[in-house]
Amino acid sequence: EAQVTQNPRYLITVTGKKLTVTCSQNMNHEYMSWYRQDPGLGLRQIYYSMNVEVTDKGDVPEGYKVSRKEKRNFPLILESPSPNQTSLYFCASSFGRAREQYFGPGTRLTVT
Amino acid sequence: GENVEQHPSTLSVQEGDSAVIKCTYSDSASNYFPWYKQELGKGPQLIIDIRSNVGEKKDQRIAVTLNKTAKHFSLHITETQPEDSAVYFCAASYPGANNLFFGTGTRLTVIP
Repeated sequence: EAQVTQNPRYLITVTGKKLTVTCSQNMNHEYMSWYRQDPGLGLRQIYYSMNVEVTDKGDVPEGYKVSRKEKRNFPLILESPSPNQTSLYFCASSFGRAREQYFGPGTRLTVT
Repeated sequence: GENVEQHPSTLSVQEGDSAVIKCTYSDSASNYFPWYKQELGKGPQLIIDIRSNVGEKKDQRIAVTLNKTAKHFSLHITETQPEDSAVYFCAASYPGANNLFFGTGTRLTVIP
């Protein structure tokens, strides 16, 4: 089954404790992206990747890091999480940039 | 960059009635306009899209219209059913863009 998977689905952590949210897709997509969803703000892009070892900032990259060492994986790293990073996070992938994107199920992160 | 505005933020309709969600965009170069549906606890899923060389596209009970002159596009759902209840996002993209620009979402509730 073609899908994007994210782990964990739910995470509660404390300020400053490094965490990684994993994302994996099995559709051989070149383009992958991370979004955060907040009430009233819609989906805002954090980082995106055009292909292996090619990443770039989206609209709200501050406090986040990403890596793309393999085509199928695109982890999101929060090295020192803060409460304002409490949000719902989505990973997405597609064959081409800015086209039909397939979203993962989401990761709800709470930073206390 | 592109700016997409979406209205209304919430919409309640009686089962069987029609629902209309409207979006405006700012960049006249935008030529791709997808609509995503996000059900509770899931990631957004593409339901229909339209490109700027057509004015309307239909898929069963769902239709999207595009007015390039006025820079707005709309999602029309006819004969609404309870399973249409979800958050709907519009988006726009222009040639060369690295991502989709999303609206802030509309929470549609269909009342049985």
